[in-house]
Formats: sequence, structure tokens, C-alpha cells
Amino acid sequence: EVQLLESGGGLVQSGGSLRLSCAASGFTFRNFAMSWVRQAPGKGLEWVSVIFGGGENSYYADSVKGRFTISRDNSKNTVYLQMSSLSREDTAVYYCAKGRVWNGSPFESWGQGTLVTVSS
Amino acid sequence: DVVMTQSPLSLSVTLGQPASISCRSSQNLVNGDGNTYLSWFQQRPGQSPRRLIYEVSNRDSGVPDRFSGSGSGTDFTLKISRVEAEDVGVYYCMQATHWPPWTFGQGTKVEIE
Repeated sequence: EVQLLESGGGLVQSGGSLRLSCAASGFTFRNFAMSWVRQAPGKGLEWVSVIFGGGENSYYADSVKGRFTISRDNSKNTVYLQMSSLSREDTAVYYCAKGRVWNGSPFESWGQGTLVTVSS
Repeated sequence: DVVMTQSPLSLSVTLGQPASISCRSSQNLVNGDGNTYLSWFQQRPGQSPRRLIYEVSNRDSGVPDRFSGSGSGTDFTLKISRVEAEDVGVYYCMQATHWPPWTFGQGTKVEIE
């Protein structure tokens, strides 16, 4: 059974930094792209970033480019999202998702999410 | 970026009755490989999203057959043949043909009358 367990969320001041983690199990981690998708309170879903299975490629939404960095450690079956220069607009539940980019299935399975709250 | 537009944004349905959600994309979603990468997700209250449908009309494992997806090009539909209480939640369409970014519709909230 696929399991994705996010952690690292919390309360941070505007301008601060935070690192999220997502521990994966139940599948061959290195074979899948991993994404972060966020959901602001009461709002819809917004894709944030993706990293390919081998870590060779990554992409970012314009809203986070230059501030967020995605990485993965295939030896630990974990993907990370380093977030810096946080603003109140970054307040959201952050989900990690497993999938395959090249066949149009980037978000096959989702974690339970971790809440990031940015205060002013 | 591809804009995904859903309608209606809210839907109130009687138990056992059908429901239909429309999703339109600002660009044709047929990929160069001939496939159309349009998915539907369900988010029940207090839960994470869950994929229901991929490539327009393929149900994910465990998804009841009362859910069906259809459409082509820029117009797509999610239908629930007979709404049950457990179907309450928000439904999102998402395109994965023109990336990055991957883009979602605004969401359609389904409630029981």
C-alpha cells in the first residue's frame, strides 16, 4: 500500500524559512516523480513543484520560483521542500503526491498534508 | 498556462439522483502521443484529494462505477449516475498535457439536498 507522510509544517514568521519532508513507502520510490501541491484555507489546489525520479529535473510554479527548492533522497525514500522568504500567501496545507509525469499522471496518490501558517 | 474552468461551482443533489460537472480547458488537451491527459479528483471534507478518473474516462482502482468521465479536446464532463451520501465533497479537474504548470479547475462543491 502506498503511503506518503508529510511533516515539517508549522507556524513561521513572514520572511522566514521552513523545510517540509514527505516519507514514502509501498512503492519503488526512485521510479516515480514526486510533487508538492498546496491548498490555501478554503481555496482550491495549486501545483507547487515536481522532481523527477532520479532527481535530474525539477520544475516550479511561478509563485514559488526562486524561493522554494525541491529535492529528494532516494536512499531514504523521502522528498523535501525547502521554503524561504515565506509570505502570508504561502499559508496552506502542503500535500506531497506520487506519480508519473510523462504519461500524464503526476498525482496518482496523495499524502494527508501538512499545514504551513505564515504570520506577519 | 492552460486555464481550467469548471461549472457549476456548486451543486445540490438529491440522494439517488444524477449529477454532472463540466470542465473546459483553454487549450486542446490532446497530447503529442495521442492521449488526452485530463483527470478528475475528489476531496471529501477534511480529507486529502483522491484521483477518480485519469485520461478522461479511466476509473482508478476502487472507484465506484457510478462515476464516469467523458469528453474530448477542450470539453470534459464528470458524471455521477446516482449520488450517494459519501460523494459529498469538492471535485477538481486537472490537465497534465501542457506542463509545467499542471493546472486544476476551481473546484465544484457537491452537497446533498
